[in-house]
Amino acid sequence: SQTIHQWPATLVQPVGSPLSLECTVEGTSNPNLYWYRQAAGRGLQLLFYSVGIGQISSEVPQNLSASRPQDRQFILSSKKLLLSDSGFYLCALRDRVAGTGELFFGEGSRLTVL
Amino acid sequence: GENVEQHPSTLSVQEGDSAVIKCTYSDSASNYFPWYKQELGKRPQLIIDIRSNVGEKKDQRIAVTLNKTAKHFSLHITETQPEDSAVYFCAARPTSGTYKYIFGTGTRLKVLA
Repeated sequence: SQTIHQWPATLVQPVGSPLSLECTVEGTSNPNLYWYRQAAGRGLQLLFYSVGIGQISSEVPQNLSASRPQDRQFILSSKKLLLSDSGFYLCALRDRVAGTGELFFGEGSRLTVL
Repeated sequence: GENVEQHPSTLSVQEGDSAVIKCTYSDSASNYFPWYKQELGKRPQLIIDIRSNVGEKKDQRIAVTLNKTAKHFSLHITETQPEDSAVYFCAARPTSGTYKYIFGTGTRLKVLA
């Protein structure tokens, strides 16, 4: 079965500092990968998704970027964090091999920007 | 762009009563509608889903109905239990050649013992 690893699990960063969140996947190949953000008490906002290595689609123009250097690795980055970047970041995958349509989520990374 | 609206934002029911959460979607080409449950501080997990060629699906105490004409779908939980308390999200997957999933804003369900 699929496994999603996200790290770090929690971090506190000052405004203006850089960010790197990493997501790695096991148990499948060539998955669709997604980054969602959940602000406190809010819904799931789609930030980026990827259908293959080096292929990134951005849903929300902002100071965040994503990269997929390997099939099972998805990275969320920022050069300068804003207060509004605080939230719960969830990496998710859709298993193309299984073909069920289900999104599997990682445990999430909780970011606080001060 | 694609949009999914979800109501209500909060819902309190007595244990044993039923709970209904409703969602509407904007993209008529959407063909897959999952529901996720998120317990406090944890990741969302799929509880039930329905495809556009089906009008209703049941799994024990949980059911989902889909009205394609009206572009809305609903989650029904019967005989609610305290462990059903969580945030529930609906989602729709547009079929515009992409693979993104658009989520509703969530419903916080509280089941009162």
